[in-house]
Amino acid sequence: GAGVSQTPSNKVTEKGKYVELRCDPISGHTALYWYRQSLGQGPEFLIYFQGTGAADDSGLPNDRFFAVRPEGSVSTLKIQRTERGDSAVYLCASSPTTEGVSGYTFGSGTRLTVV
Amino acid sequence: QKEVEQNSGPLSVPEGAIASLNCTYSDRGSQSFFWYRQYSGKSPELIMFIYSNGDKEDGRFTAQLNKASQYVSLLIRDSQPSDSATYLCAGGGGADGLTFGKGTHLIIQP
Repeated sequence: GAGVSQTPSNKVTEKGKYVELRCDPISGHTALYWYRQSLGQGPEFLIYFQGTGAADDSGLPNDRFFAVRPEGSVSTLKIQRTERGDSAVYLCASSPTTEGVSGYTFGSGTRLTVV
Repeated sequence: QKEVEQNSGPLSVPEGAIASLNCTYSDRGSQSFFWYRQYSGKSPELIMFIYSNGDKEDGRFTAQLNKASQYVSLLIRDSQPSDSATYLCAGGGGADGLTFGKGTHLIIQP
């Protein structure tokens, strides 16, 4: 596609529920990143995929968070037993290079609200 | 702990003047630095990246990097009201991802 596509754009869920957030990167981009941005903060790194594998998942806050990219294109961020503190904008970015040295293109984000 | 520090502002600049945005970073291993612009309610948009000491110019924007001082800056010449946004500085790249500052809120006064 022309840009990084994220769905849904907004998600409201009840505390304790499971959610999935989807990212469709720019076609041909091998590197894919997930970030989380809370109000008044800069984006916080969560996980980086190079192809199908998670090259670095050190930013995932705990084991309730998990992400997959089974075919090296679309990625899904999964959050189990959601908590109110998980409320944030979840941003996906992709890059044509293996290390994003020229910067990323971000999607429009998914605003997650846990009530 | 990798940190990127920015003054949150707001920084108010008259239209047509030069806006100067600054950023310091803690990780001497960081190789690349990025400036993103973020309008309210929108996602960050890449403006410039720099990885060599010195200046890099692109239109009205100039990025400056001083690795010895661990300092990055962004100059915006001939500031326009449409430049009003939050500017995010980020460092790093690769498998570690980027470390972002909290951003500087820039207001261009017509």
